Formats: sequence, structure tokens, C-alpha cells
Amino acid sequence: NAGVMQNPRHLVRRRGQEARLRCSPMKGHSHVYWYRQLPEEGLKFMVYLQKENIIDESGMPKERFSAEFPKEGPSILRIQQVVRGDSAAYFCASSPLSKTNYGYTFGSGTRLTVV
Amino acid sequence: SQELEQSPQSLIVQEGKNLTINCTSSKTLYGLYWYKQKYGEGLIFLMMLQKGGEEKSHEKITAKLDEKKQQSSLHITASQPSHAGIYLCGADKRETSYDKVIFGPGTSLSVIP
Repeated sequence: NAGVMQNPRHLVRRRGQEARLRCSPMKGHSHVYWYRQLPEEGLKFMVYLQKENIIDESGMPKERFSAEFPKEGPSILRIQQVVRGDSAAYFCASSPLSKTNYGYTFGSGTRLTVV
Repeated sequence: SQELEQSPQSLIVQEGKNLTINCTSSKTLYGLYWYKQKYGEGLIFLMMLQKGGEEKSHEKITAKLDEKKQQSSLHITASQPSHAGIYLCGADKRETSYDKVIFGPGTSLSVIP
């Protein structure tokens, strides 16, 4: 029973390129959360999605960032025209319900480095 | 908005020693999570506390939510090198109809053999 799978584990992009981060939730989980962990900073909420719907994107930067969770396939966090400040660890988490008593299950993260 | 503070920011202990990490909230906590993050890896769920005075244990790790529900402590007994990592507390934002966990800045723990 695979956990939350994120790929790639490490991603290097040049400034101005696009970064695509993938997250496959646990089997049976239809709720996906994305968090960002900047160097020397804590884990910050970015976006919460259910299948085909963005429920809460209050933590997403207004420009260049987008997220989707299609009916089929993984959730994608897309960063266009990356800048050095986007270098961070991006974590995805999933849960089977919108409200649980046991928190999320996190993936191992994608570490994005912008050079 | 609710904010979480953790203390200490970092901690270095000798193997076998006990230690405590604190998490303080600016607002009442309705759900308090403790996660552990190994360096360079993802987060592992440790436990969740909901009721004031509630205490839970997992192996040598015990967490408690105080009666006023604005502070939680995480206690490790007889620390081992395997306990090293970053410990994060997280609070459930009650005003949403879905789980939305806001995390503290983390406490970095190193255990010296």
C-alpha cells in the first residue's frame, strides 16, 4: 500500500524555466494539500484541492503558481518562469476525508533548486 | 490569524537524556498535531491531541495538551540518535470545514551518541 508519492525528488531548473511537481495521493484519498518549506522557514500552506476542484488557494502566490488535481492522474503543482526565491522543498499531503482526526499523510517532498 | 511558536528553536542533547519541546498558540487549539521530519525527508505523523489535558504516548514520546488548550508539550524519554530531526507542531484551523493545518517553525533536535 504505497504512501503519498511525489516526483521528482529533486528538480533543478534555470531561472525562467517551468517546474512541474507531481503528487499521487494514497489510494482512496481524494483530498490533496500542497505545502512549501523555504530554507530556514517553516512549512507554509499553499493550496487544498479535491478531485477537479481547488477548494482553498489562499497560500498560493498570485502569479506564476498554479495547481490542479484532475479526475485521473496525479495532482500537479506548476511554477512558471521560476526565480531563485522559488527554491524550496514542496510537500504534498493527502487525506481520505475533508475532516479527519489524524492529520494528513505527507509525501517525501520535491526539492526544487533554481540556478 | 492563529500563530504557533515553538521552543526551543534547536536542541542538542546527549543520548539517554530526557527533553521537552513546547508549542504555544496565540489562540485556542482545537486540534494539535505533532509531526517529525527527518533531515531531507518528509513528515511523519506522531500524534494528535484534541481535548484539554489529553496526553498521548508513542514509544518514548509523550505529548500533552494543556487544560487551557493553548500550549502543548512533547517529551522524549531516554533520547536516542533515531529521535534526531525536526519536530513540528501543527494546529487545525477550526473555522474551515476541512483540515487545514498551520505549522509552527519547528524545533531541530540533535542527539549525540
